[in-house]
Amino acid sequence: DTEVTQTPKHLVMGMTNKKSLKCEQHMGHRAMYWYKQKAKKPPELMFVYSYEKLSINESVPSRFSPECPNSSLLNLHLHALQPEDSALYLCASSLGTGNSGANVLTFGAGSRLTVL
Amino acid sequence: RKEVEQDPGPFNVPEGATVAFNCTYSNSASQSFFWYRQDCRKEPKLLMSVYSSGNEDGRFTAQLNRASQYISLLIRDSKLSDSATYLCVVLNRDDKIIFGKGTRLHILP
Repeated sequence: DTEVTQTPKHLVMGMTNKKSLKCEQHMGHRAMYWYKQKAKKPPELMFVYSYEKLSINESVPSRFSPECPNSSLLNLHLHALQPEDSALYLCASSLGTGNSGANVLTFGAGSRLTVL
Repeated sequence: RKEVEQDPGPFNVPEGATVAFNCTYSNSASQSFFWYRQDCRKEPKLLMSVYSSGNEDGRFTAQLNRASQYISLLIRDSKLSDSATYLCVVLNRDDKIIFGKGTRLHILP
């Protein structure tokens, strides 16, 4: 299995809703990432988990709450989002972090989020 | 100066031609370098890692110039299916993976 699976593929939510994005990989990767990508822009790093611990938070607003229940799963809990949060949310994983040759990212297909 | 800079293009290139892009990075301590390809409304996919000695994979050649802090990607005998956005990706010493804004390539029939 060489895939990163993200669900749902599309999500529409109101500003008062609570929803979650899910990401799963079974490649034995120990680092998992959330990126946000707006149209015609590069992916922007949000969070990095390494060995199930949050290692990087790029000053993301608290309305985004990541969770890593185990080494294969990564969630992103969403609450009280704004319309400008509408974007493609990409999950990625890598074997490890650092300059060990283990930092090649494998991306999921993304969850396209629309906030009304 | 942005951490990773690329010419956004678009590069409009006839099929069969050779095309090259560069990407500059500002952090001299950057450790690893990659080219990713992203098709419209799809996720980025690794095209190739970039090694110090340069490396080739079929029609694609990547090079790293540490002295001038840039990496390059050369595509020979371009195909229609090469049309995509090419993202330069750099790993810094603090383990942050930084994406360039991407270069759009259109191969024309």
